[in-house]
Amino acid sequence: DGGITQSPKYLFRKEGQNVTLSCEQNLNHDAMYWYRQDPGQGLRLIYYSQIVNDFQKGDIAEGYSVSREKKESFPLTVTSAQKNPTAFYLCASSIRSGASSYNEQFFGPGTRLTVL
Amino acid sequence: AQTVTQSQPEMSVQEAETVTLSCTYDTSENNYYLFWYKQPPSRQMILVIRQEAYKQQNATENRFSVNFQKAAKSFSLKISDSQLGDTAMYFCAFMKYLGGATNKLIFGTGTLLAVQP
Repeated sequence: DGGITQSPKYLFRKEGQNVTLSCEQNLNHDAMYWYRQDPGQGLRLIYYSQIVNDFQKGDIAEGYSVSREKKESFPLTVTSAQKNPTAFYLCASSIRSGASSYNEQFFGPGTRLTVL
Repeated sequence: AQTVTQSQPEMSVQEAETVTLSCTYDTSENNYYLFWYKQPPSRQMILVIRQEAYKQQNATENRFSVNFQKAAKSFSLKISDSQLGDTAMYFCAFMKYLGGATNKLIFGTGTLLAVQP
């Protein structure tokens, strides 16, 4: 079955530690995204990538880093510089639909990160 | 900058009845896409319905339909014959084109819908 997987589902981190969230897709999608969700707020874009070895900052990139070494994978590292990392993190991917600027995004199941 | 506003933090509806969730947005663009996503307790984001701004006809998907008022920048979701499985957080979202093959979804703060038996 094609889809997006995120691991782990729950992640606990001590303050001052870096942690990496995994996102893998087998949909052959070119673009991948990371969103953050906090209680009472909608999702906010952290980073996105159009193609392998290319990525761009979203609205709240400070304290995060990403890599895109393979088309299928887009891991997110939450660094110790992120002031308030406890949140729910969602990965998404999309494929270009012809000449249209519309590209539906498909979401993974998410990772809940808690800083202790 | 585009913004999306959902003014109803929580709503409740009886099973089999109809409920309407409100959404307004602000943009200077003429052509764009709007979406309603559902997030059940599993927290999986599920696309419910989408609307292309240049289409005047309101989108429908089975029991879900929208009332798209472009001039008023309003995009409400109507759920008919509500079912217990419709209980979820519902997010309205605006799609902003970033270039190349990428878009950004700008989300509202969500409406928590509870369907009562």
